[in-house]
Amino acid sequence: DGGITQSPKYLFRKEGQNVTLSCEQNLNHDAMYWYRQDPGQGLRLIYYSQIVNDFQKGDIAEGYSVSREKKESFPLTVTSAQKNPTAFYLCASSSQSGGTYEQYFGPGTRLTVT
Amino acid sequence: AQSVSQHNHHVILSEAASLELGCNYSYGGTVNLFWYVQYPGQHLQLLLKYFSGDPLVKGIKGFEAEFIKSKFSFNLRKPSVQWSDTAEYFCAVNQAGTALIFGKGTTLSVSS
Repeated sequence: DGGITQSPKYLFRKEGQNVTLSCEQNLNHDAMYWYRQDPGQGLRLIYYSQIVNDFQKGDIAEGYSVSREKKESFPLTVTSAQKNPTAFYLCASSSQSGGTYEQYFGPGTRLTVT
Repeated sequence: AQSVSQHNHHVILSEAASLELGCNYSYGGTVNLFWYVQYPGQHLQLLLKYFSGDPLVKGIKGFEAEFIKSKFSFNLRKPSVQWSDTAEYFCAVNQAGTALIFGKGTTLSVSS
């Protein structure tokens, strides 16, 4: 089955630790995205990548970092600089960025930092 | 700044009532418009999209949306809701080469 895998489903970390969230897709999509979902805030764009080895900051990139070394993978690191990291993180992909291309979403990772 | 506004935070309806969820955007130029739905415990999925042509677009599960360019609006409608429509609904917009920007979402609760 083609799709987007995010792991783990739930993640717990202590404050001050960096943590990396995994996102893998087997849809052969060029573009990948990371969003953060908070109650009442909708989905806010953290980073996106239109092609391997390239990525752009979204609206709330501070405290996060990404890499795109392979087409299939777009891991997100939540650094200790992120002031409020507890949230639900969604990864998405599309054939290309923008236009009418549908973005497909993964199941999400719920990160809790205490 | 470019933004997407959804007017209703929480809508409560009885089964068979009609639904209209508002969405306005502040982008200039050509835009592509989307409605996504997130059912409880499920992935976000596409309901419908508009990019050109007939401004009235039909999506899955009996939903439709109308693009009114002069009002910068893309409202979602359904003539008769069902209990299974209980979900969170997101309006989203993009332009060429950009990622989707989402509104804050509307939670729909349908009572049977």
